[in-house]
Order: sequence, then C-alpha cells, then structure tokens
Amino acid sequence: GAGVSQSPSNKVTEKGKDVELRCDPISGHTALYWYRQSLGQGLEFLIYFQGNSAPDKSGLPSDRFSAERTGGSVSTLTIQRTQQEDSAVYLCASSGSGSGTGELFFGEGSRLTVL
Amino acid sequence: SQQGEEDPQALSIQEGENATMNCSYKTSINNLQWYRQNSGRGLVHLILIRSNEREKHSGRLRVTLDTSKKSSSLLITASRAADTASYFCATAYAGGTSYGKLTFGQGTILTVHP
Repeated sequence: GAGVSQSPSNKVTEKGKDVELRCDPISGHTALYWYRQSLGQGLEFLIYFQGNSAPDKSGLPSDRFSAERTGGSVSTLTIQRTQQEDSAVYLCASSGSGSGTGELFFGEGSRLTVL
Repeated sequence: SQQGEEDPQALSIQEGENATMNCSYKTSINNLQWYRQNSGRGLVHLILIRSNEREKHSGRLRVTLDTSKKSSSLLITASRAADTASYFCATAYAGGTSYGKLTFGQGTILTVHP
C-alpha cells in the first residue's frame, strides 16, 4: 500500500485478555518500529525490526509484550493478560533503512482501551 | 524519563503570525527531527536536522539546532489554520544502533485561529 497500515484502529478489551495489533509497513521498507503513545508517558519506543537481524526489544515494558515480523513485512504486536495501564495508542512506523536517516513513516495507530 | 522537553506546552496564535516551538534534549544525538500530529492521527515527518547542521529550511519551516545547549527550535512562518496540530521533536541517539529509534519530546499543541 501507499502508507503504513494498522489494524484494528480501535480495540476495547477486558482486563486479562490477550490482544494482537497488526502493522503492514510501506512496501520495500526494511525497518519497522512500534511506539506507544499515552497521556502519562508520551511517545515511547517499544521494539524495532531491521531485516533479518534480531529485533531490538529494549523498549518493551514487560514480558507480557511481544512482537514478531513475518517474512520481513507484516508485524504483529501481542499484549498478553492486558492491564488497564496498557491503554494507549500503539503506533507503527517504517523506514527505508534502519541505519539511514531515521525519517519514519507512521501509521494512524491502534487505540487500545482496557476496561 | 529520558524524553526531552518542549515549550511551550500550548501555543495559540492568529493566522498569519509566526509560531516558535522549542525543544531540549539530554544525550548526544545523530539527528533531531520534528513531527506533526493532527488530532487522532499518526505522526507526519516534517524536517530532519543533523548534528553537524545549525539551521535548515523547508518551505515555511525553519529549524535551528544548538548542540552545545542541547536545544532546537521550530519556526513556522505565516501560520495557517491548517497548521493546528501537535508538534513533537524527536532525537536519534548518536550511539544507537538505529537512527529510527527516537526519543520524543512531550509536544507542543499549536492552535491557529482563522
């Protein structure tokens, strides 16, 4: 597609349930990033994928969070046993090269609400 | 938090006026970027300035960078109502493995009144 696509755009779940958020990056982009935007913490880096290299998971807030990227394209961010503090907008971004200029192209985000 | 700070937190101006937003950061950087976010939307990249640059222009945007003070400013000239949005600065750590692994400021909410 022309831009970064994320789904679902909105997700409401109950505390304790697992959720999966999907990101389809710009075709040909080798680097993919997940960020989280919340009122209390602002924009935070979560995880980064670059080609076939091991992902940089240094921003994941707990072991309930995981992500994978299949075939170097689509990525899924999974949050297990969701908590209310997980409520946020999860933003995916891609770029042409992870070691390049760093200009990111963001999707519209997935808004997660944990009741 | 390792995030930078932006000021002002909110800025309200009339169409045609200039808007200036400031950003401070904490680490050595490779580059500093500015992004815009309309309400409920994703972020849009505006401009990138490298650590060895002091000023950069793009259309109505002018960015300055002072690495000795670890600060940057974004100037939007001749503002328009369509410029109403949140503006974020973001820094790429100089020693990082990826220049897309950014640290964002808290943002400035700009409102431009017609």
